[in-house]
Amino acid sequence: QKEVEQDPGPLSVPEGAIVSLNCTYSNSAFQYFMWYRQYSRKGPELLMYTYSSGNKEDGRFTAQVDKSSKYISLFIRDSQPSDSATYLCAMSARTGNQFYFGTGTSLTVIP
Amino acid sequence: GAVVSQHPSRVICKSGTSVKIECRSLDFQATTMFWYRQFPKQSLMLMATSNEGSKATYEQGVEKDKFLINHASLTLSTLTVTSAHPEDSSFYICSARVGRTDTQYFGPGTRLTVL
Repeated sequence: QKEVEQDPGPLSVPEGAIVSLNCTYSNSAFQYFMWYRQYSRKGPELLMYTYSSGNKEDGRFTAQVDKSSKYISLFIRDSQPSDSATYLCAMSARTGNQFYFGTGTSLTVIP
Repeated sequence: GAVVSQHPSRVICKSGTSVKIECRSLDFQATTMFWYRQFPKQSLMLMATSNEGSKATYEQGVEKDKFLINHASLTLSTLTVTSAHPEDSSFYICSARVGRTDTQYFGPGTRLTVL
């Protein structure tokens, strides 16, 4: 079983839709959760960073962590064509440098 | 936010030559830097973890003698692909860990093409 599972998509939505991206994980030691956005031929860009359980909101983006279910989500409200990219989840335990990435979900927002 | 740069952004070289890629943290000191490789439409593959002033820790299956990593200062790490071959063609991305946080900031990546 992989440490982190992420549906690769592709996901295609109309402009203005609410997008839900999800990852599940198996290691209960994970404490730090991140979402990255990667445009084609570019390095990943950190979008959201969350510690432990709960919600975090930043503009149109909301990150949710449910540690009891080992499930994290990224919601994008009022999606825009510029949101078209691959979204990677990542997580790590409290100690150590080991990061675990999902495989990425490809999102296309259609104007 | 923290800014990480990479140079060059793109390099084309002949088979058998060596290529050096630089990764710099521009506005912070990075005690730990990471090197990843990414194939088209695939996720990041961690190659090695580099701590300033010490030898890099390589992931299983990554050849230490082929991918030389040096982290001589708190703002600079280099990856040298030695005797490059066409199968080394890939997108190489570095990242840096910010202080004591458990998050990484990525560079823009370097696209290596070996002819």
